[in-house]
Amino acid sequence: AQSVTQPDIHITVSEGASLELRCNYSYGATPYLFWYVQSPGQGLQLLLKYFSGDTLVQGIKGFEAEFKRSQSSFNLRKPSVHWSDAAEYFCAVGHYNQGGKLIFGQGTELSVKP
Amino acid sequence: NAGVMQNPRHLVRRRGQEARLRCSPMKGHSHVYWYRQLPEEGLKFMVYLQKENIIDESGMPKERFSAEFPKEGPSILRIQQVVRGDSAAYFCASSSGQGIPYEQYFGPGTRLTVT
Repeated sequence: AQSVTQPDIHITVSEGASLELRCNYSYGATPYLFWYVQSPGQGLQLLLKYFSGDTLVQGIKGFEAEFKRSQSSFNLRKPSVHWSDAAEYFCAVGHYNQGGKLIFGQGTELSVKP
Repeated sequence: NAGVMQNPRHLVRRRGQEARLRCSPMKGHSHVYWYRQLPEEGLKFMVYLQKENIIDESGMPKERFSAEFPKEGPSILRIQQVVRGDSAAYFCASSSGQGIPYEQYFGPGTRLTVT
């Protein structure tokens, strides 16, 4: 069955430090990959997506993610974290034969220390 | 261009009552998806609708839950005879149905509390 795993439930980083959030997926074929961010009490905002082509994708707010087929991973990175990045981050996968249905990981809560 | 709108934002129901959640997709979007987020969990797909059609309801509980997306008006997720386990945040997303895959835009969610 298709699944998405975000191994880190909670991560704390210092402001200005680099960040990497992990995402692994289990899928029969290369899926479409997404990262969303959710601030407390809010909906989800799309940070970036990967469909095909260049495996390093750039998103909004200075985030990037790299697709590694051999590792079935799509890790999210940011070189320098800002206090406003504190939120919950969700990795999601979809596939063209799933009609656009997304499968989400459990999320990683990011805290930022001053 | 207004985003996806959901109302109410917060809904409190007693056990046994009905909950009705509304979702207005972005202008020009004709595809709607409903997801449920239980506490401390990620979002789980419930149902995918196009105007007047249910395309995929594989994530919907078999009883008490129903969804519709009429030709006119918002999409409605209806939960009959609510129980405490229905307490969750319910998110609606919409897409244009163009491109591969369909990029989804999420609403702010409805937080349902069953007392």
